[in-house]
Amino acid sequence: EDKVVQSPLSLVVHEGDTVTLNCSYEVTNFRSLLWYKQEKKAPTFLFMLTSSGIEKKSGRLSSILDKKEPFSILNITATQTGDSAIYLCAVEATGANSKLTFGKGITLSVRP
Amino acid sequence: DTGVSQNPRHKITKRGQNVTFRCDPISEHNRLYWYRQTLGQGPEFLTYFQNEAQLEKSRLLSDRFSAERPKGSFSTLEIQRTEQGDSAMYLCASSSGLLLERRDTIYFGEGSWLTVV
Repeated sequence: EDKVVQSPLSLVVHEGDTVTLNCSYEVTNFRSLLWYKQEKKAPTFLFMLTSSGIEKKSGRLSSILDKKEPFSILNITATQTGDSAIYLCAVEATGANSKLTFGKGITLSVRP
Repeated sequence: DTGVSQNPRHKITKRGQNVTFRCDPISEHNRLYWYRQTLGQGPEFLTYFQNEAQLEKSRLLSDRFSAERPKGSFSTLEIQRTEQGDSAMYLCASSSGLLLERRDTIYFGEGSWLTVV
């Protein structure tokens, strides 16, 4: 059975700090890893990673995948209070009908 | 707004009652998923449709749960004889099946919150 473990489970930082969120996984026939942000409603898509070592960036957020370990990190620089949310990591296996297996999520709180 | 619509958004029901949730996916998406999420957990897969065919069901989906997608468009998730343990957010998601490298991956609806009292 596919498994996703995220750490830490919760994190409190101050505005301006840089944070690194971790995601390790076990999946048979890996296809992709996805990061979502959830703010008391539907998860919203952040990144999809399929290849090792290629960083994806969107503004202050970036993510990278290491398929050998295997794990992924999500970095947020110069955090803002609006970054407070639950960050979900999910993996998809090939032939899995695009079904996603999620981790428990990391609750990030950014204090002013 | 992702374009995936769910209703009702909130439902409070008494234990033993039946409830039904509806999901309208993005119109050109042929894949539809139901997930369940409880506090402190990530979403858990329940079931998957490709067009009108239900192709996969999780072991989490007990006999009291049934999902349909009769015309390959909207879907319903019915829970019969609800139990307190069914209290959760039920998320619907859809995709075009062109996941690969495209950014337009699986889109989630706002979710339907169920509270069983």
